[in-house]
Amino acid sequence: GNSVTQMEGPVTLSEEAFLTINCTYTATGYPSLFWYVQYPGEGLQLLLKATKADDKGSNKGFEATYRKETTSFHLEKGSVQVSDSAVYFCASHYNQGGKLIFGQGTELSVKP
Amino acid sequence: DTAVSQTPKYLVTQMGNDKSIKCEQNLGHDTMYWYKQDSKKFLKIMFSYNNKELIINETVPNRFSPKSPDKAHLNLHINSLELGDSAVYFCASSQDSGVAAAGQYFGPGTRLTVT
Repeated sequence: GNSVTQMEGPVTLSEEAFLTINCTYTATGYPSLFWYVQYPGEGLQLLLKATKADDKGSNKGFEATYRKETTSFHLEKGSVQVSDSAVYFCASHYNQGGKLIFGQGTELSVKP
Repeated sequence: DTAVSQTPKYLVTQMGNDKSIKCEQNLGHDTMYWYKQDSKKFLKIMFSYNNKELIINETVPNRFSPKSPDKAHLNLHINSLELGDSAVYFCASSQDSGVAAAGQYFGPGTRLTVT
């Protein structure tokens, strides 16, 4: 079946450090790919998305590129802030069925 | 204005009880969802309704019964609560169940604790 795998957390970084959170997917076909963010005590918010190969999603300084050849959608940010501390979820979606499939989430903690 | 709201935010109850969680969205969306997030943050879909009709029903015990009185509301009723039901339950909505289902709006969650 289709699945999404993320790197294990927690990830702890100092402010202004470079962030990468790895995400790979297994799929039959070409899903749309997403990153959602969950701040403490809140629901998930859509951070960015890419709907086809080589698309780059970006928002709030975060970026991710849909790589079909490596079935990956790694999340990156050049300089993290304390306010970026949250849990980040990678997800895939197929047009048929309307079901989002989430990775297990990666907790990010940014220290001042 | 809150787009997707859930009540209650916290629910503490004993094993064997029956409880309900309510969800409302004011976005005019056609599709609504219930997710369960366990203690390790793993998020899994339980149900989805499109215009009051059930379209996704994952492998969930039949003690869980969703009800959608109209397309703006999707409630979750749980019978005979068990310890393993303790989790955070999230409601979400999307414009439709097709392509737009990818851009889901989530509620703040209901933390259910069964003792």
